Amino acid sequence: EIVLTQSPATLSLSPGERATLSCRASQSVSSYFAWYQQKPGQAPRLLIYDASYRATGIPARFSGSGSGTDFTLTISSLEPEDFAVYYCQQRYNWPLTFGGGTKVEIK
Amino acid sequence: EVQLVESGGGLVQPGGSLRLSCAASGFTFSSYEMNWVRQAPGKGLEWVSYISSSNTIYYADSVKGRFTISRDNAKNSLYLQMNSLRAEDTAIYYCAREDLQFDYWGQGTLVTVSS
Repeated sequence: EIVLTQSPATLSLSPGERATLSCRASQSVSSYFAWYQQKPGQAPRLLIYDASYRATGIPARFSGSGSGTDFTLTISSLEPEDFAVYYCQQRYNWPLTFGGGTKVEIK
Repeated sequence: EVQLVESGGGLVQPGGSLRLSCAASGFTFSSYEMNWVRQAPGKGLEWVSYISSSNTIYYADSVKGRFTISRDNAKNSLYLQMNSLRAEDTAIYYCAREDLQFDYWGQGTLVTVSS
């Protein structure tokens, strides 16, 4: 099983600041990698697929990078609606796995 | 508009069974792979099961032998039969459409396993 480790667990930032979230895979997942956002009481929402492609309707302030084992989600300037939990996920092999999540909270 | 609506959750005793359903609309259901993903209270996401358009199936080790995924393309519906339920199966269960990744999710149905 591929283990995804997200860091940090919590990120405390102010609106307008840049957020950098990391996810490391226990073995290479190539670019078969996605990022999701989840707000309280809501289902997750796809942000980034194939490591660096924004999903439909996702603002340009969200960007993804990386391949192999190290991936980054960057939010260039935090908007109030961006404070949420973010999960990474690999689809390189079975079982599909998610990271433990990074909570982006208001400082 | 793509919609996924789960139902069938509830309170069940350990060792009991439940059948979850996911009604799909707004897309050609038969053409898509579908998944169940769960989230225990206050915890992260855990993939549970997958079914392809041609009925290839995979399960997480934690549910293998106890849960059965199925689909009825004529009814645009996805199912999860859950047997021998345990306390650790308590979670919100989401159905999710897969188009290489989980691009649409339902709002989830809560399953609580407790005596």
